[in-house]
Amino acid sequence: DIQMTQSPSSLSASVGDRVTITCQASQDISNYLNWYQQKPGKAPKLLIYDASNLETGVPSRFSGSGSGTDFTFTISSLQPEDIATYYCQQYDNLPSFGPGTKVDIK
Amino acid sequence: QVQLQESGPGLVKPSETLSLTCTVSGGSISSYYWSWIRQPAGKGLEWIGRIYTSGSTNYNPSLKSRVTMSVDTSKNQFSLKLSSVTAADTAVYYCARDRKGSWYYWGQGTLVTVSS
Repeated sequence: DIQMTQSPSSLSASVGDRVTITCQASQDISNYLNWYQQKPGKAPKLLIYDASNLETGVPSRFSGSGSGTDFTFTISSLQPEDIATYYCQQYDNLPSFGPGTKVDIK
Repeated sequence: QVQLQESGPGLVKPSETLSLTCTVSGGSISSYYWSWIRQPAGKGLEWIGRIYTSGSTNYNPSLKSRVTMSVDTSKNQFSLKLSSVTAADTAVYYCARDRKGSWYYWGQGTLVTVSS
């Protein structure tokens, strides 16, 4: 099984700040990595697929990068509506999720 | 617009079998993989498994011995059965449509509580 780790587990930042979340896979997963945003009581929303591709309709302040085992998710300018938990997810073999990063406004 | 809706009992007794159905509307169920994903309250997401419309399945190894998935293309539905449930299976269960390893379309989720 491929294990996914994320850091930090939570963060607080000010509106307008640049926010970065990292995700690490236990083995090489190429670019088979997605990022989701989940707000309370809602289903997750796909933001980034294949490590760096922005899903249609997702604001350009969201971006992703990386390949192999190390990946990064960035919000270039944090907005109040970005308060959520963010998950990475690999699909190199059977899918699995990272534990999530909770993002709050300071 | 594709829509997914989970349905099934919200309360299941320990040791019994949890059964859920996902109804797909706004598009055909054919030629896609369909997944079940769950989330215990306050915790992260866990992929349970997926089924192709041919009936081919892949399951999470941690749940494989207890999971059965099926598909009914005539009803545009697919289903999940999880046997021998315990309190640890209490969660919101989501159905979702696979797109090359990612999930764009999700159901709203249904809470299943395991309790006597």
